[in-house]
Amino acid sequence: GQQVMQIPQYQHVQEGEDFTTYCNSSTTLSNIQWYKQRPGGHPVFLIQLVKSGEVKKQKRLTFQFGEAKKNSSLHITATQTTDVGTYFCAGSQGANNLFFGTGTRLTVIP
Amino acid sequence: ETGVTQSPTHLIKTRGQQVTLRCSSQSGHNTVSWYQQALGQGPQFIFQYYREEENGRGNFPPRFSGLQFPNYSSELNVNALELDDSALYLCASSLVSGRADEQFFGPGTRLTVL
Repeated sequence: GQQVMQIPQYQHVQEGEDFTTYCNSSTTLSNIQWYKQRPGGHPVFLIQLVKSGEVKKQKRLTFQFGEAKKNSSLHITATQTTDVGTYFCAGSQGANNLFFGTGTRLTVIP
Repeated sequence: ETGVTQSPTHLIKTRGQQVTLRCSSQSGHNTVSWYQQALGQGPQFIFQYYREEENGRGNFPPRFSGLQFPNYSSELNVNALELDDSALYLCASSLVSGRADEQFFGPGTRLTVL
């Protein structure tokens, strides 16, 4: 069945350092979404990527979708304490369900 | 805030009991999906409702069932509760009908089964 794995599971960084999380799917995806979940909160949509090789930027966040549409990454430049949370990728095969990854929990040390 | 509301916020039940969770979707959204999020895990898709019909289902047994009403609000029902059903249950509405597009999540209902 569909599986979406993320690495690393946890990441601790000093404030100002960069952070990257990687997402890998066992099958080709039609699109991939990224969500952020703060501790005790609910997932909040960040972005959706649809095209092979697509790169999108949101301020300090850069999202990539692999050429084969089976992997994706989220890179944060110069982390801030407000970046703390768990980042999930979620893949779709064009149907009506999303397969969420295992998540990467980011801790930023001031 | 997304405009998606859920009730109750917390619930404690015992094994074998039944539970109903409620969700009110964001205005204008006619598609509602339900997810189960166990502690430390990513959300797992339970099912989606579109125009009051089930429009896709994840790998969950039939004792998980749902409803969507004409006003697009929704219910998740779980029968014969098991200890492993303890989790955060998230409802999400989306603008694109019947598709796995951007999900607007509610705050969730924390269910504890003893």
